[in-house]
Amino acid sequence: GAVVSQHPSWVICKSGTSVKIECRSLDFQATTMFWYRQFPKQSLMLMATSNEGSKATYEQGVEKDKFLINHASLTLSTLTVTSAHPEDSSFYICSAPKGFAPDYEQYFGPGTRLTVT
Amino acid sequence: AQKITQTQPGMFVQEKEAVTLDCTYDTSDPSYGLFWYKQPSSGEMIFLIYQGSYDQQNATEGRYSLNFQKARKSANLVISASQLGDSAMYFCAMRVPNTNAGKSTFGDGTTLTVKP
Repeated sequence: GAVVSQHPSWVICKSGTSVKIECRSLDFQATTMFWYRQFPKQSLMLMATSNEGSKATYEQGVEKDKFLINHASLTLSTLTVTSAHPEDSSFYICSAPKGFAPDYEQYFGPGTRLTVT
Repeated sequence: AQKITQTQPGMFVQEKEAVTLDCTYDTSDPSYGLFWYKQPSSGEMIFLIYQGSYDQQNATEGRYSLNFQKARKSANLVISASQLGDSAMYFCAMRVPNTNAGKSTFGDGTTLTVKP
């Protein structure tokens, strides 16, 4: 099956610094990628939809200036958490569908665990 | 708008027994896809099974089967012969074509614990 990678798998940073998370589709081109945030024992919360060559679409309540998304190519999307604070500590997961029909599987990255101290 | 409801926050099952995880959904679109994912403690999302709204038969994948009752809008996951490695969080999700850019709607999840 298709593979989506994420880097780094975990990161610890100090409050006030910025962190960049990369999401790559390894064997298919992804015009769209999704970024999710997940707190322990909770569901995935969609943060934004990343579109290649255009601006990301953010879900209601997600700060665009804090969570910068760039989809520079058909295989790479990045999420930058700017001026991170302890409340930004979470598990971040990206995913990419191979298509938009309902039977196209959505491939998930392995996730990035962010801890802000 | 689409909605997925998983009413069982936690479930316990004895090893080698079968277990059913409940999922109900709501959409006005006649074309949709239903998915189940497993998320172990490592955090990775593992695809288990898919059911299309127009599929006549219930989907099966090894020990996983999906009990699809369209009129009731339910898509329960049945795991047969539970194994200790099945202990994880399970999510039901739905995708509707041509809306929401193909993104999935997830339920709140069910934590399954398999007892030896």
